[in-house]
Amino acid sequence: GENVEQHPSTLSVQEGDSAVIKCTYSDSASNYFPWYKQELGKGPQLIIDIRSNVGEKKDQRIAVTLNKTAKHFSLHITETQPEDSAVYFCAASATYKYIFGTGTRLKVLA
Amino acid sequence: NAGVTQTPKFQVLKTGQSMTLQCAQDMNHNSMYWYRQDPGMGLRLIYYSASEGTTDKGEVPNGYNVSRLNKREFSLRLESAAPSQTSVYFCASSEEGRSYGYTFGSGTRLTVV
Repeated sequence: GENVEQHPSTLSVQEGDSAVIKCTYSDSASNYFPWYKQELGKGPQLIIDIRSNVGEKKDQRIAVTLNKTAKHFSLHITETQPEDSAVYFCAASATYKYIFGTGTRLKVLA
Repeated sequence: NAGVTQTPKFQVLKTGQSMTLQCAQDMNHNSMYWYRQDPGMGLRLIYYSASEGTTDKGEVPNGYNVSRLNKREFSLRLESAAPSQTSVYFCASSEEGRSYGYTFGSGTRLTVV
């Protein structure tokens, strides 16, 4: 069946450094790729998304890139801050339903 | 505040008991979803409702039932709770269609003993 692989499962970076999280999807019909941030004890929150007709999208310190040929998409966070520490989920959508990755726990070390 | 409201936030059930998790959204979204989140498993879809009056099974529907009461409300029922249903449950909503972000509720932490 369809799946989304997400790497790494944990990531530690020094404050001010960049963080990159990568996802690979299997369903070539997928055309919408959101990223969610989940803080402890809260529900996931949409932070950025990209559609299949776009290769890159930026919003301040975060950016997402999409390579449809390779079925890869990535989240880039620059100038990381302690408040970026959270679990990040990627997802791919080809229908009403998303397929989520298994999450990346990002720790930003002060 | 606009968003998705889930009740209760915490619940402990004994094996075999039943309960209903409530979810309501005030964003006039057409589509609503129930997910469960388990360590190392990410978010798995239980049931979804693409629009008022329709419901469909997701990835892990066994042991659950849902009701789309109206456009705002989508409930999840456990008829006979099992320890394997211990999880954090999230309700979400979105505009109709496959290219819209979800708004999630804050979750219900359910423990079945």
